[in-house]
Amino acid sequence: NAGVTQTPKFQVLKTGQSMTLQCAQDMNHEYMSWYRQDPGMGLRLIHYSVGAGITDQGEVPNGYNVSRSTTEDFPLRLLSAAPSQTSVYFCATYSGAVGANVLTFGAGSRLTVL
Amino acid sequence: GQQLNQSPQSMFIQEGEDVSMNCTSSSIFNTWLWYKQDPGEGPVLLIALYKAGELTSNGRLTAQFGITRKDSFLNISASIPSDVGIYFCAEHTSGTYKYIFGTGTRLKVLA
Repeated sequence: NAGVTQTPKFQVLKTGQSMTLQCAQDMNHEYMSWYRQDPGMGLRLIHYSVGAGITDQGEVPNGYNVSRSTTEDFPLRLLSAAPSQTSVYFCATYSGAVGANVLTFGAGSRLTVL
Repeated sequence: GQQLNQSPQSMFIQEGEDVSMNCTSSSIFNTWLWYKQDPGEGPVLLIALYKAGELTSNGRLTAQFGITRKDSFLNISASIPSDVGIYFCAEHTSGTYKYIFGTGTRLKVLA
């Protein structure tokens, strides 16, 4: 049982390049989300989804796109990477059931934009 | 964006010492969560608190949901080297999909 799987674990991009961070979960969780972690800033929500076909913006959505075509997958796209997007990205999910509101995180993807 | 005030920002302690950290907010919350992040990994849930005044233990860890519902603390007793990491508090408002995270307490344990 893998839980939440993120790929790649590390990535280096040049300014202006595009890429997709992948997130897959095998827990049948309705809710999936992307956070970025920066020193001294804690975890900030980028985008989230409450089910297939439904996405919404979080606190820091600019420069990122998401889609949710299946329950299992929630990719995060950077269309034109900027140095300000250098960060560690975490995908997190939870089931949404009553009393089961605990976020489960992936291991993270460390992105450097030169 | 809204964040929880977490303190201290960092701690250096000797192995065997007890540790205390806390989280405060200007708003009333329904759920307090405490996570630990090991170096190079994602945060993992340590303790979840659901009622004001609730005191919950998980091994050497003890956390409490403040009576005012605006704060929470986490204590670690008899620290060991593997306690190293970043500890985050988080709040979840029931009925929403919204989580708010503290800025983290970075703990280093000196053997």
